[in-house]
Amino acid sequence: QVHLQESGPGLVKPSETLSLTCTVSGGSISSFYWAWIRQPPGKGLEWIGYIYYSGSTNYNPSLKSRVTISIDTSRNLFSLKLSSVTAADTAVYYCARFLYGDNIYNWFDPWGQGTLVTVSS
Amino acid sequence: QSVLTQPPSASGTPGQRVTISCSGSSSNIGSNTVNWYQQLPGTAPKVLIYNNHQRPSGVPDRFSGSKSGTSASLAISGLQSEDEADYYCAAWDDSLNGVVFGGGTKLTVL
Repeated sequence: QVHLQESGPGLVKPSETLSLTCTVSGGSISSFYWAWIRQPPGKGLEWIGYIYYSGSTNYNPSLKSRVTISIDTSRNLFSLKLSSVTAADTAVYYCARFLYGDNIYNWFDPWGQGTLVTVSS
Repeated sequence: QSVLTQPPSASGTPGQRVTISCSGSSSNIGSNTVNWYQQLPGTAPKVLIYNNHQRPSGVPDRFSGSKSGTSASLAISGLQSEDEADYYCAAWDDSLNGVVFGGGTKLTVL
């Protein structure tokens, strides 16, 4: 049973870079896609981006200029960096395995428990 | 403003059947599969329906999904109190080249 766990600072100052890590256990990170999704307090879900175990990435165009997702297959983890954050980036950040087959199928399963990141000085 | 449109709320009494709609366009629902996620209060979302109508193991057959044209629906029959949650539809969008979500529907069991 694959399990995902997010970790990182819960408070980030405006204009700084948000950095989170997702550790995958119970299975190999290889041969799959891995994604980040966020949810502002009381609001809906927003896809941030995903990475393939080979390192290829795809980002939400609305965040592309500020997002970097990387992967470390030797440590079975992948990471998110979001630069120049503002209060609008305050959200619960989830990592998830992305089951993706071109445009034929695509869903997130399982999800991590999520971690709240607040942007405030 | 979400790319996929869902009603913000829905409700029903125990045992009833409720339906939640999800409306999109030709670039998302019209040409790709739809997935539904259930988010119980205070927890992470989990996949409820994938590929329009398929249920992961462990999801009761009270939950069913369908798609027609640029719209999709989630139906819950035999409503139970533990079904009270937020429900999100999602699909791949060819224009965005990524995943889009609906705004979510809060289901209340009266």
